[in-house]
Amino acid sequence: GDSVTQMEGPVTLSEEAFLTINCTYTATGYPSLFWYVQYPGEGLQLLLKATKADDKGSNKGFEATYRKETTSFHLEKGSVQVSDSAVYFCAPSSGGYNKLIFGAGTRLAVHP
Amino acid sequence: EPEVTQTPSHQVTQMGQEVILRCVPISNHLYFYWYRQILGQKVEFLVSFYNNEISEKSEIFDDQFSVERPDGSNFTLKIRSTKLEDSAMYFCASSEAGGRLADGYTFGSGTRLTVV
Repeated sequence: GDSVTQMEGPVTLSEEAFLTINCTYTATGYPSLFWYVQYPGEGLQLLLKATKADDKGSNKGFEATYRKETTSFHLEKGSVQVSDSAVYFCAPSSGGYNKLIFGAGTRLAVHP
Repeated sequence: EPEVTQTPSHQVTQMGQEVILRCVPISNHLYFYWYRQILGQKVEFLVSFYNNEISEKSEIFDDQFSVERPDGSNFTLKIRSTKLEDSAMYFCASSEAGGRLADGYTFGSGTRLTVV
């Protein structure tokens, strides 16, 4: 079945460091790809998306590129801030496109 | 910005009791979903709903679960006889389109269900 693999956390970085969170997926058809973020005690917020191969989604300094050949959608940010501390979820659409499949989530902790 | 609203934010119930979790999706959205997240674990799909019927459901969504859109604004998840392992955060979501979900889902802030 469809699945998502994210790098395990926690990822601990100093402020202004470079961030990469790897995500690979298996999915039937041609999924849309999403990153969601969950701040402590809150719900899931859409961070960015990409709907076709080579599309780059971006928001709040985060970027991810839809790589169809490697079935990957890695999340990057050039300079993280303490306020970026959260759990990040990679989520492709799946199957008949009636649902998203979530990865296990990667916890990011940024220290001053 | 439009929001998905969930109530209550926290519910404590005794094992074997019925609970109803309520959601008000975004008004022009047509597709509705429930997910759950057991503490510290992954977000799991439960069910999707369109045109007053279930589009897809997971193996978690067994006979003790049901969903309903009782009026033009609410979308509810009922758990008939709760078990300890039903304790989780339950998220409602809605989307304007189905298909390839170009815009993604908007999630509510969740209902934390604690079964004791």
